[in-house]
Amino acid sequence: DAGVTQSPTHLIKTRGQQVTLRCSPKSGHDTVSWYQQALGQGPQFIFQYYEEEERQRGNFPDRFSGHQFPNYSSELNVNALLLGDSALYLCASSWRGGAGEQFFGPGTRLTVL
Amino acid sequence: QQQVKQSPQSLIVQKGGIPIINCAYENTAFDYFPWYQQFPGKGPALLIAIRPDVSEKKEGRFTISFNKSAKQFSLHIMDSQPGDSATYFCAASKYGNQFYFGTGTSLTVIP
Repeated sequence: DAGVTQSPTHLIKTRGQQVTLRCSPKSGHDTVSWYQQALGQGPQFIFQYYEEEERQRGNFPDRFSGHQFPNYSSELNVNALLLGDSALYLCASSWRGGAGEQFFGPGTRLTVL
Repeated sequence: QQQVKQSPQSLIVQKGGIPIINCAYENTAFDYFPWYQQFPGKGPALLIAIRPDVSEKKEGRFTISFNKSAKQFSLHIMDSQPGDSATYFCAASKYGNQFYFGTGTSLTVIP
């Protein structure tokens, strides 16, 4: 079992650019959640996808969007990047019919210059 | 409003000591309370979790104590080791949906 995988590991962008981050959930999981973790802070919930639809959304602007594919993998897109978007972006997967556990991937470190 | 408040911000203990990290929550609808361990540059790893129908849960050297009436829960690490040095996060969720995380506790275990 490969666990949750994310790509790329690191990414450097400039202000105003757009970025796409990718996540493959743990085998058997059907739900993907995305979190933003600023340095020295706890993860902040961005949104959750299940059955290819956004089911819940945290307090993030529309510049943050996502997608879930039929194989349960997911993408996070961020448009018009700001310096403040620099963070570790974490993907977590879970099984809708499970006990609620979420398993996190290693994250993508995004730096906006 | 911070849904989950965590303390202390940092903690230093000697090897073999029992560090205790505390969290308090606001929303009584929360029904799942996990603890995560995170090493620098890595994603959080699930350590142990509890539901509000039990007051204590042990898994190996990790114990969660849960006080439903006080809306508080804590993590105890028995016989702590230098390898336990990491940042620990508590979290809470409702029906397995979005997790609300605490601000983290940086633990250092001195050999």
